[in-house]
Amino acid sequence: AQSVTQLGSHVSVSEGALVLLRCNYSSSVPPYLFWYVQYPNQGLQLLLKYTTGATLVKGINGFEAEFKKSETSFHLTKPSAHMSDAAEYFCAVRKGDDKIIFGKGTRLHILP
Amino acid sequence: EPEVTQTPSHQVTQMGQEVILRCVPISNHLYFYWYRQILGQKVEFLVSFYNNEISEKSEIFDDQFSVERPDGSNFTLKIRSTKLEDSAMYFCASSETRHQPQHFGDGTRLSIL
Repeated sequence: AQSVTQLGSHVSVSEGALVLLRCNYSSSVPPYLFWYVQYPNQGLQLLLKYTTGATLVKGINGFEAEFKKSETSFHLTKPSAHMSDAAEYFCAVRKGDDKIIFGKGTRLHILP
Repeated sequence: EPEVTQTPSHQVTQMGQEVILRCVPISNHLYFYWYRQILGQKVEFLVSFYNNEISEKSEIFDDQFSVERPDGSNFTLKIRSTKLEDSAMYFCASSETRHQPQHFGDGTRLSIL
């Protein structure tokens, strides 16, 4: 069975600091991996995805994530946090079938 | 950019009543999905729909639930005889193919009283 673990339900970083949101997955085969962002009172917006090929994936709003098969990780990073990055971030996995399995989410707080 | 739209944004219903949540997927998308998020919990898959039939469903999607594509644009989720525990945010999603990313709507917040 697939699962997604996000370490830390809440993460706080200062404006301008590095953002690191951790995600580990379990899957018997290489999965498709995603990061979604949910701003207050809005739906889920795709930040970036990994399917095959280059393991460092760049997404919108300056975010990127690296697929590390040996660590079964897909951590999300951004070099410099902005106040507008405050939101909830969901790591997700899909293994060829239809459904996406989501992690519990990490709420990112940006400190001025 | 085209988007998935859901109506209503908030639905309040008495326990035991039927409710229909509506979604308009992106026009050239062929795969449709419903997910739900109970307050404070993770987003959970309910059902996927392709070619006018359910292609996959979760354990949550029991006989209380049904989906339909009544015309060429709408995709609905019907919940019969609602229970208090059906209170959640329900998200509709669509994708162009099975392997393309799923695009989500803003959700319908369902409150069962």
